[in-house]
Amino acid sequence: GAGVSQTPSNKVTEKGKYVELRCDPISGHTALYWYRQSLGQGPEFLIYFQGTGAADDSGLPNDRFFAVRPEGSVSTLKIQRTERGDSAVYLCASSLNRAPTGELFFGEGSRLTVL
Amino acid sequence: GNSVTQMEGPVTLSEEAFLTINCTYTATGYPSLFWYVQYPGEGLQLLLKATKADDKGSNKGFEATYRKETTSFHLEKGSVQVSDSAVYFCALSDNNTDKLIFGTGTRLQVFP
Repeated sequence: GAGVSQTPSNKVTEKGKYVELRCDPISGHTALYWYRQSLGQGPEFLIYFQGTGAADDSGLPNDRFFAVRPEGSVSTLKIQRTERGDSAVYLCASSLNRAPTGELFFGEGSRLTVL
Repeated sequence: GNSVTQMEGPVTLSEEAFLTINCTYTATGYPSLFWYVQYPGEGLQLLLKATKADDKGSNKGFEATYRKETTSFHLEKGSVQVSDSAVYFCALSDNNTDKLIFGTGTRLQVFP
């Protein structure tokens, strides 16, 4: 009964580099969400998967951000040409049923620092 | 658009004090409302929820009532403990989407 697992827990990179953040949801959870949390702010929605497909990617800030979930389980958030403003904690959550009636289970996040 | 406003922290209380953390929302339609909590070193977890007007969510001694007339969902606890020290987030979801919209969070510090 492991929870949502995110790796790496911390990532420091240089401006312009490419970054991948991984999320391993709770087994059997079909819905997966990515959020971004900047310092002193609440989590901000990025993208939602139902199974393998992105059901809603309206929160992705620009085309440098992309996420995949090829087998309907693990998801990877990919950030190209990182900028200092991308520094934040990236949160992944999964749920058994479609929200909002379902409960979201969050991982501890991946803290990204872009120098 | 939909939004959530919650009181700024930190809120500092002595053990056994009464807690209120205010949350108001703006939304079209009838959203579901949530309180999530983040304990130090842990991920966000659902504390309680209410899906329609006048519903009361409760868990671990915390309560919040969905007040449509005042568009509020204030979090209360009668007697806080040191272990309640955490950051509390109010959130809503539009029943037409799957997105949670969070407030900025309120840090609660309880001292013995």
